[in-house]
Amino acid sequence: EAGVVQSPRYKIIEKKQPVAFWCNPISGHNTLYWYRQNLGQGPELLIRYENEEAVDDSQLPKDRFSAERLKGVDSTLKIQPAELGDSAVYLCASSLEGYGTVRTEAFFGQGTRLTVV
Amino acid sequence: LAKTTQPISMDSYEGQEVNITCSHNNIATNDYITWYQQFPSQGPRFIIQGYKTKVTNEVASLFIPADRKSSTLSLPRVSLSDTAVYYCLVARGGGSYIPTFGRGTSLIVHP
Repeated sequence: EAGVVQSPRYKIIEKKQPVAFWCNPISGHNTLYWYRQNLGQGPELLIRYENEEAVDDSQLPKDRFSAERLKGVDSTLKIQPAELGDSAVYLCASSLEGYGTVRTEAFFGQGTRLTVV
Repeated sequence: LAKTTQPISMDSYEGQEVNITCSHNNIATNDYITWYQQFPSQGPRFIIQGYKTKVTNEVASLFIPADRKSSTLSLPRVSLSDTAVYYCLVARGGGSYIPTFGRGTSLIVHP
């Protein structure tokens, strides 16, 4: 079974340019997460989707970041315009909610390493 | 969610047992303890989860004392390939699952 697929793996852009990341979660997983990971730090949640609904986006810088999850499957995270401080690894993850059980595990993609110059 | 505290880094040698302890003093009754592993240039990967006492799988063991205010991840006979960052997470059981990561413990295994 394919895992969480992200593209591109690497992206270098100049500041003030737009950039987009794509994520294809594991088939059937209704929950999708976007994280940002700075060097030497743990991943930080940006936004969480339950199906197509964004249920937790309190950490998403809404002035320049946007995300969507069409039809509750694939998702895109966009930054416009990018700033130098946005350089980081952007991780996508998915999990399957089981009613009445503990969702124990989120599956992560390999991430997109963004460098803003 | 309960805050977790774990050592920033640890060093070990091949063949040794490694124990990484995490404290979570404010853990709630229905919280579960989960550990993830992250290699360079990869996303985190689930290792093990437990609620109390001891859990063992093919990768590691997890020891949780009766008061559940701490937990210890035990890696038996580590190899160079176990060099990674290990994260301890506390997650609410039965509700929305939101993995919340701290800085983790960077484990370096030496030859």
